[in-house]
Parts: sequence; C-alpha cells; structure tokens
Amino acid sequence: RKEVEQDPGPFNVPEGATVAFNCTYSNSASQSFFWYRQDCRKEPKLLMSVYSSGNEDGRFTAQLNRASQYISLLIRDSKLSDSATYLCVVNDNDMRFGAGTRLTVKP
Amino acid sequence: GAVVSQHPSWVICKSGTSVKIECRSLDFQATTMFWYRQFPKQSLMLMATSNEGSKATYEQGVEKDKFLINHASLTLSTLTVTSAHPEDSSFYICSAAGHLRAIINQPQHFGDGTRLSIL
Repeated sequence: RKEVEQDPGPFNVPEGATVAFNCTYSNSASQSFFWYRQDCRKEPKLLMSVYSSGNEDGRFTAQLNRASQYISLLIRDSKLSDSATYLCVVNDNDMRFGAGTRLTVKP
Repeated sequence: GAVVSQHPSWVICKSGTSVKIECRSLDFQATTMFWYRQFPKQSLMLMATSNEGSKATYEQGVEKDKFLINHASLTLSTLTVTSAHPEDSSFYICSAAGHLRAIINQPQHFGDGTRLSIL
C-alpha cells in the first residue's frame, strides 16, 4: 500500500462547480498535513495546511479525519485559474507526497 | 516573494557531463534541505536529506556517488549529477526548512526546480 494515496483524477469541471479531492495515508503516527498546488512544469506551492478541526481559506476547505486517516480538500465556485495538480502531503518526520490529482476547470 | 532560489532552471547537456544545481535559502537559515526528483505525471520522490555541515542521508535506491550533495553553509546546498545520462533527465526540486523544522508542522519552501535534459 502506498504511504499517501489520492484520487487518480483527472477532474474536468465547469467554472463555478464545487469539487472535492480525497487523500488517505498509511502512517497513523503522521503529525501534519498539507495540500500543495503544482502547476505544469513548476514547483509545488503550499495551498494550505490541514488542521484537526478543519480549516477554510476563502473558497478552499480542508478536513482531517485522524481515525480514518483521511484528508480532503473542497474547492467551491471553481475558477479557470484553479486548474492545476493538487498534491496531498503528509509529514511523518519526512514529507510524503501523494501522486497528485489533476484538475481542469473549463469555461 | 521567493524564499528558496534554485539555479539553473533549465539545463540541456550531453551524456557524460556533470551538472551542478544550487539551492539557496534567501530569508532564513536552512538547517535542512531536501532534494526531490519528479518524472512526468508522477509525484515528487525524495532523493536525499542534507543537514548543514554533515553528510547527506540518501533514500533507498539513490546512488550517493551519482548524486553528490554538499550543504556547506546554512544558506546553500548543491546537488551534482555526475556523468549524467539520458535516464537522469528529470525535474529536480529542492526545498528548505529552518530550525523550526523541529516543530513538525512547518511546511517546506520549494525552489523553482531545475529541468534537466540529457541528450
């Protein structure tokens, strides 16, 4: 089993749609969690950290379920500029990256 | 603004050439730097972790004699791909973490990445 698994995608959605990405991790001792965004041929950029109580940043909401070892990212009112690959990252003393989920938002 | 600078951003060279990639932390002292490799449509794979003033720790399957890492100062780490071959063509990305890494919930800051193409 992979250490971090994500929805394979790709997700193709119209502008304004709501889209959710899921991610599971295998190491129950993992301590911190992040969502990164990576544009084509660019470096990953931190989108948001994920906190146990759940957290929201504008149109983006992240949730963590430690019991199920599951994190999620919800994007509301998606924009064309949201098109990218979204990486789930879990820190268990080393950063573990998911394979990424590609999102394409279309007009 | 960028907190980690990586140079060069693009390299094309002949097989057998050695290529050096630099990673600099701009606004903080990076006690730990990480080197990743990413093949097309795949996720980042950690190659090695370097700590300032000590030898790098390499992940399983990564040849330390092939990928030389030097972290001589708190703001600079270098990765040298020795005698590069076409199969070494990839996107190499560094990231840096300061002393706050001891606080495990600190995210890493990534460099812009280096696209290496070996002909």
